[in-house]
Amino acid sequence: DQQVKQNSPSLSVQEGRISILNCDYTNSMFDYFLWYKKYPAEGPTFLISISSIKDKNEDGRFTVFLNKSAKHLSLHIVPSQPGDSAVYFCAARINAGNMLTFGGGTRLMVKP
Amino acid sequence: EAGVAQSPRYKIIEKRQSVAFWCNPISGHATLYWYQQILGQGPKLLIQFQNNGVVDDSQLPKDRFSAERLKGVDSTLKIQPAKLEDSAVYLCASTQTRMNTEAFFGQGTRLTVV
Repeated sequence: DQQVKQNSPSLSVQEGRISILNCDYTNSMFDYFLWYKKYPAEGPTFLISISSIKDKNEDGRFTVFLNKSAKHLSLHIVPSQPGDSAVYFCAARINAGNMLTFGGGTRLMVKP
Repeated sequence: EAGVAQSPRYKIIEKRQSVAFWCNPISGHATLYWYQQILGQGPKLLIQFQNNGVVDDSQLPKDRFSAERLKGVDSTLKIQPAKLEDSAVYLCASTQTRMNTEAFFGQGTRLTVV
């Protein structure tokens, strides 16, 4: 049972435009959500997170939105840059100290 | 600050052979994780250590996988015997405490079982 799903395996965006990556989850007990970015041959690196008590968190060009009623979160990148091309993973956890459950990832390609 | 170190970077073995991976977490990080990432999927937690104790190994296939962190610093993950479906990238991650969620990952070890 996949509790965290990223239904789009890939996304292609023009440089300067907005990239929107989506993530759905099924477990209403998740209380903290994270986005990780992964370049080829490297480990995932933390990008941005959001607590379930918030609906938005912003950090520079990156904004994460959480819709608890829909069990949906999204990552917005504005403006998109070629260096943003990577695989993005959505992850969620139940309570502090518990493991992260990852989605399958979305490969973002930003074209110059 | 040095990152999470893993070795080897790549390993190719035949099925039924054994293999071991090594991880050295960020200095001072008490919590260490081993993840398995199969191609096209997200990382899946295999085992979580807090210092030298196991916190969660519920998803570790214990008939063939084992892991230890004897001195609470570096850790080894072993597979014996390996199966074709064990081909994956094995990622090690660490956090300063169990309460930290933003884990730092190593580059991973890509295992190919033929």
